[in-house]
Amino acid sequence: DQQVKQNSPSLSVQEGRISILNCDYTNSMFDYFLWYKKYPAEGPTFLISISSIKDKNEDGRFTVFLNKSAKHLSLHIVPSQPGDSAVYFCAASGGGGTSYGKLTFGQGTILTVHP
Amino acid sequence: NAGVTQTPKFQVLKTGQSMTLQCAQDMNHNSMYWYRQDPGMGLRLIYYSASEGTTDKGEVPNGYNVSRLNKREFSLRLESAAPSQTSVYFCASSVGLAGGWGEQFFGPGTRLTVL
Repeated sequence: DQQVKQNSPSLSVQEGRISILNCDYTNSMFDYFLWYKKYPAEGPTFLISISSIKDKNEDGRFTVFLNKSAKHLSLHIVPSQPGDSAVYFCAASGGGGTSYGKLTFGQGTILTVHP
Repeated sequence: NAGVTQTPKFQVLKTGQSMTLQCAQDMNHNSMYWYRQDPGMGLRLIYYSASEGTTDKGEVPNGYNVSRLNKREFSLRLESAAPSQTSVYFCASSVGLAGGWGEQFFGPGTRLTVL
């Protein structure tokens, strides 16, 4: 039972354009959402997060949008740069019961930004 | 600050052998985690420790044991390695479990191959 899904395994964009990475979840008890970026042979690094009481959070070129009614979040990167090429994971926490304190990760989306 | 460190970086085992993966953090975090990452699967939680002296099972605990040695160190032990445990293992830590306190910082990973 995949509670967090990233349905696009890969995304390719041109430098300077917008990258939009999508994530869907099924557990309505999730109350905190995070995006991580991962380069090859390195551990994931935290990028940006959003609480379920908000619908948008912005940090420089990165913006996360949360649509609770659709159980959908997205990460926008504007403008995209070649250094943004990495695997992006969305994650959710607060799933209630025995899920308290645990992050549930999506499968990841490989972003490639072409110069 | 080294952040989260893991040893070893690479390991090859034969089926049935045992080994311990070491993890240490210098951020004075309370909570620590062990994940495995397999192709197309995202990161899956093996075990976690909410605070010094406590450990709990995650999503995929079978075949593993953990020890929270002190606040800094959290080890993962494979008692009898199996080929299905071939994976990349990540250790992570966070201030706490929930919401913004639960933002996790990851180590560089251990690539384990079981023949």
